[in-house]
Amino acid sequence: KNEVEQSPQNLTAQEGEFITINCSYSVGISALHWLQQHPGGGIVSLFMLSSGKKKHGRLIATINIQEKHSSLHITASHPRDSAVYICAVTSGGGADGLTFGKGTHLIIQP
Amino acid sequence: DGGITQSPKYLFRKEGQNVTLSCEQNLNHDAMYWYRQDPGQGLRLIYYSQIVNDFQKGDIAEGYSVSREKKESFPLTVTSAQKNPTAFYLCASSIGIAQWRDTIYFGEGSWLTVV
Repeated sequence: KNEVEQSPQNLTAQEGEFITINCSYSVGISALHWLQQHPGGGIVSLFMLSSGKKKHGRLIATINIQEKHSSLHITASHPRDSAVYICAVTSGGGADGLTFGKGTHLIIQP
Repeated sequence: DGGITQSPKYLFRKEGQNVTLSCEQNLNHDAMYWYRQDPGQGLRLIYYSQIVNDFQKGDIAEGYSVSREKKESFPLTVTSAQKNPTAFYLCASSIGIAQWRDTIYFGEGSWLTVV
C-alpha cells in the first residue's frame, strides 16, 4: 500500500503570502487528488492530476512523477483559504485504491 | 443543485446501540463510498458500492454494515460490534470507481459520538 506524507502538518501565514503544501508518496501512482476540507467538515475536490501542472484561480497544483512528489500552491492567500488540505493518491484499480495523507492544517491570518 | 446529503450532522449513541447514517446523492453516480476520519489520521475506507445491490468491504469494515437498494442512497449502520465508533464519517460518490480518472465528491460529514 502506498504511503502518503504531507508537509507541513500545520501552517500559519499572513494574508497575501504565497503558500506551498507538499505531498510525497512511496509507490508509483496513476493519479493524485488534492482535496480541501473546510472547518465544517465537508470536503471539496480541488484537483486531480497525473502529470504536469493545473491551475484554478489562485490555486496551482504540480506533480513530479519521477520524484513521487506533488505541491499545492496558493497565491495571494486569504483568510477564506483557511482549511485542511488533503493529498490522496491512487495506483489504479478499484474504489479501494485511494490512499489519503493526514492533511495540512492551514490558517491564514488577516 | 446536485450534491451529496448526509444526515444527521451530529449523532450521539449509547453503548450497545446501532445507529444508521444516511447518505443521498442526486448526481446520478454509480459509485458510492463511506470513509471514516479520526484526528491525526487519513481517511479510511469502510465500504464502497459500484452499483445497486452490490457493495464491497473496505479496509475497516468490521462493525459496520451498508445497503444499496437504490442508486441514490447508501446508508451506513454502525453496529454495537464496532469497538470505537466515535469518529467523523464521510460519504462520497463518483461516476465510476476509476479513481485515477473520476473525480470524487464528498458530503458534509456526520459526527458520531458514543456516550
